[in-house]
Amino acid sequence: QQQVKQSPQSLIVQKGGIPIINCAYENTAFDYFPWYQQFPGKGPALLIAIRPDVSEKKEGRFTISFNKSAKQFSLHIMDSQPGDSATYFCAASIENSGAGSYQLTFGKGTKLSVIP
Amino acid sequence: EPEVTQTPSHQVTQMGQEVILRCVPISNHLYFYWYRQILGQKVEFLVSFYNNEISEKSEIFDDQFSVERPDGSNFTLKIRSTKLEDSAMYFCASSDAESNEQFFGPGTRLTVL
Repeated sequence: QQQVKQSPQSLIVQKGGIPIINCAYENTAFDYFPWYQQFPGKGPALLIAIRPDVSEKKEGRFTISFNKSAKQFSLHIMDSQPGDSATYFCAASIENSGAGSYQLTFGKGTKLSVIP
Repeated sequence: EPEVTQTPSHQVTQMGQEVILRCVPISNHLYFYWYRQILGQKVEFLVSFYNNEISEKSEIFDDQFSVERPDGSNFTLKIRSTKLEDSAMYFCASSDAESNEQFFGPGTRLTVL
């Protein structure tokens, strides 16, 4: 029930295209949904995050769509560029034990390649 | 821009040896985490640490693992007797008291031979 399922595993788009990465969760207690971008040999970097009280959040070319009833959320990358080629992870968290620490549960990742 | 730093970047050890992975979280952060990522797989939570004690740990974090904040800046992960399956990237992360945005370090690649 703690799992976050992510698809697709890999994605290839042309420059300027709009890749869409989808995630689904089971645990309705999750209340924070970040997306991380990871380049080879680097740590995950926070890209954008959303809470269940909104259905969409946009930051620059990155948009999260959130469907609370379906327990799904997705990342859209507008006008994708070769520099966006990376692995993208969705994640979810829930506050634990009242201590305020947020254990992140990650999806398996999507390797995005943007072709010039 | 403040960042999480980790040392060493790569650690090679023999099976059964003890290793200590070191992290310097962002200075005003209060919550600290260790995650690991086996090559090609997803990032997995190991442990969270707040107010000088473990707040949560996963089933991966067994008796062979321990964490410590030995001073006001460092946060360490110790593996007492390494196994081959401990080979992975280990990431430290930290967050402040106001949000749960976790900032990750560049990782330590642990190779157990």
